[in-house]
Amino acid sequence: GQQLNQSPQSMFIQEGEDVSMNCTSSSIFNTWLWYKQDPGEGPVLLIALYKAGELTSNGRLTAQFGITRKDSFLNISASIPSDVGIYFCAGSPPGSNFGNEKLTFGTGTRLTIIP
Amino acid sequence: GAVVSQHPSWVICKSGTSVKIECRSLDFQATTMFWYRQFPKQSLMLMATSNEGSKATYEQGVEKDKFLINHASLTLSTLTVTSAHPEDSSFYICSARPWDRDQETQYFGPGTRLLVL
Repeated sequence: GQQLNQSPQSMFIQEGEDVSMNCTSSSIFNTWLWYKQDPGEGPVLLIALYKAGELTSNGRLTAQFGITRKDSFLNISASIPSDVGIYFCAGSPPGSNFGNEKLTFGTGTRLTIIP
Repeated sequence: GAVVSQHPSWVICKSGTSVKIECRSLDFQATTMFWYRQFPKQSLMLMATSNEGSKATYEQGVEKDKFLINHASLTLSTLTVTSAHPEDSSFYICSARPWDRDQETQYFGPGTRLLVL
């Protein structure tokens, strides 16, 4: 099946630094979503991307849908302590029945902020 | 908006018993809900797609007789883990897709942690 590879697997940064992570696939996706998961919680949607080349911001977060439709990146500017968590990309492949589109999740990027 | 709840948030049970987990969309209707399983430090793995009023579609390798899914209404889906065994211990998460959205967006519940002794 399709797999989404995220990098880096983990990041250790200082508060105030910018963060960049990306997600790549061997096949194209119609939709890219970025989620954040805190320990013991379900993922929370951060940004949704629906068109190749689309660049979308949500506060300090910016994400882009790659032109090739095989990748996406997420940037976080001026990180704060509450940014700690695991970030997952997720994609919806073409060919899914409308209304039942399945999501494939990436391997996750664990963000830790060093005090 | 787009809040999804799960109940219970955690459960401990003896091996051989059955456990039911509820997933509710609180402020929207969802014709489709999804059930995922997540093992420690791993990503979410889709188990099945739950459609209101019809049978669930299971992913390859997921036993439909062991993981019973019922989507009785536009706001409720249940997952029953039958004859649970220790290897079924995991974090189970549901998600729901608003029926009136044209584009793919899933909202997740807070998860249910299952521990089978």
